[in-house]
Amino acid sequence: GDKVKQSPSALSLQEGTNSALRCNFSIAATTVQWFLQNPRGSLMNLFYLVPGTKENGRLKSAFDSKESYSTLHIRDAQLEDSGTYFCAALMSNYNVLYFGSGTKLTVEP
Amino acid sequence: EAAVTQSPRNKVAVTGGKVTLSCNQTNNHNNMYWYRQDTGHGLRLIHYSYGAGSTEKGDIPDGYKASRPSQENFSLILELATPSQTSVYFCASGDGWRQNTLYFGAGTRLSVL
Repeated sequence: GDKVKQSPSALSLQEGTNSALRCNFSIAATTVQWFLQNPRGSLMNLFYLVPGTKENGRLKSAFDSKESYSTLHIRDAQLEDSGTYFCAALMSNYNVLYFGSGTKLTVEP
Repeated sequence: EAAVTQSPRNKVAVTGGKVTLSCNQTNNHNNMYWYRQDTGHGLRLIHYSYGAGSTEKGDIPDGYKASRPSQENFSLILELATPSQTSVYFCASGDGWRQNTLYFGAGTRLSVL
């Protein structure tokens, strides 16, 4: 089964609003990364997390290893935030990152 | 900023043909990875490497081989391409064997007819 379950699969926001994306892990994760794939297909790293939180501008991410989830909060959404967001987790006893299936975000005027 | 370059960017191949996808990184990262991206599946790991001469199987290695002749270059080889291998392929590099931040190439869109 899926080791990383990401929700929602799609999301539409009005400009200026806030939202949160979530990833749940079926087995213990040690680190989490969040990526944004823009409409042209390029993947950019947003956050690399050990348990705890990080903030960068309008984005804030948290990783709770005990409860096996991570969140990405988007504040004051802008049109350029549109794209597909992926979380990826390094699982205990594995040496590779496992990706969620992504959240397609559309920000509308 | 890490630079990962993939070639070709687009490829059309025939069933049964051989396809080689190339990846070059200029940041002296030890680890390199090949993923494929299909709708509804996110990114799935095919092969990865810890350094020159090393290749390891990922989650979906069947039908693929990998080659890491140098620190900078990592190739994905489809000896006998099949239509099910039609996908977008991403190469990535990272430092640290426990996978710190990954840097991705721009992707290769492969169609096998």
